[in-house]
Amino acid sequence: DADVTQTPRNRITKTGKRIMLECSQTKGHDRMYWYRQDPGLGLRLIYYSFDVKDINKGEISDGYSVSRQAQAKFSLSLESAIPNQTALYFCATSDGTVTYNEQFFGPGTRLTVL
Amino acid sequence: RKEVEQDPGPFNVPEGATVAFNCTYSNSASQSFFWYRQDCRKEPKLLMSVYSSGNEDGRFTAQLNRASQYISLLIRDSKLSDSATYLCVVNMFDSWGKLQFGAGTQVVVTP
Repeated sequence: DADVTQTPRNRITKTGKRIMLECSQTKGHDRMYWYRQDPGLGLRLIYYSFDVKDINKGEISDGYSVSRQAQAKFSLSLESAIPNQTALYFCATSDGTVTYNEQFFGPGTRLTVL
Repeated sequence: RKEVEQDPGPFNVPEGATVAFNCTYSNSASQSFFWYRQDCRKEPKLLMSVYSSGNEDGRFTAQLNRASQYISLLIRDSKLSDSATYLCVVNMFDSWGKLQFGAGTQVVVTP
């Protein structure tokens, strides 16, 4: 079983709809991240969380919100989806106790906003 | 200017050949460096960390040049399975885990 899972894997939605992307991990890591990837651009950080009570904005948080429901779960919401939020979204985790820690990624969610 | 820049490629490499490519970063205070591999439509996975003295992992060699602010990746004896996009990743300021990703260099190994 995968250590980091994301649901749904693919989603097509319409402008103005609310959508939630979910991420779960069994690695026991305290740190979790949401990224989006667009063609020709590197992964860009949307939000990150160091523990259940800690939520921080990344470089492109506008139009997104997150919830850290438990150590193992971190969800990303688009309150009112717009077409330029069409992208590949990745959740990632890392072990905060390790310096220069590796990030482990989920399989991604391909989101299309029409 | 992007924080981390890479030649997007593609680098077309015959099987068995050597390929090398660089990545430049803009912030001289960057602390740590990595190469991630990403297969088409898949998640990125850590290939190797890059240490100041340079390091080797099998057919892969990574080098860091702090003075010129670039890191490199060399792949020897290329295999078809090496075809992927290689992401240059930089930890910008400290060790808390925030990473800056390059857009990637595509490598295509041909028979």
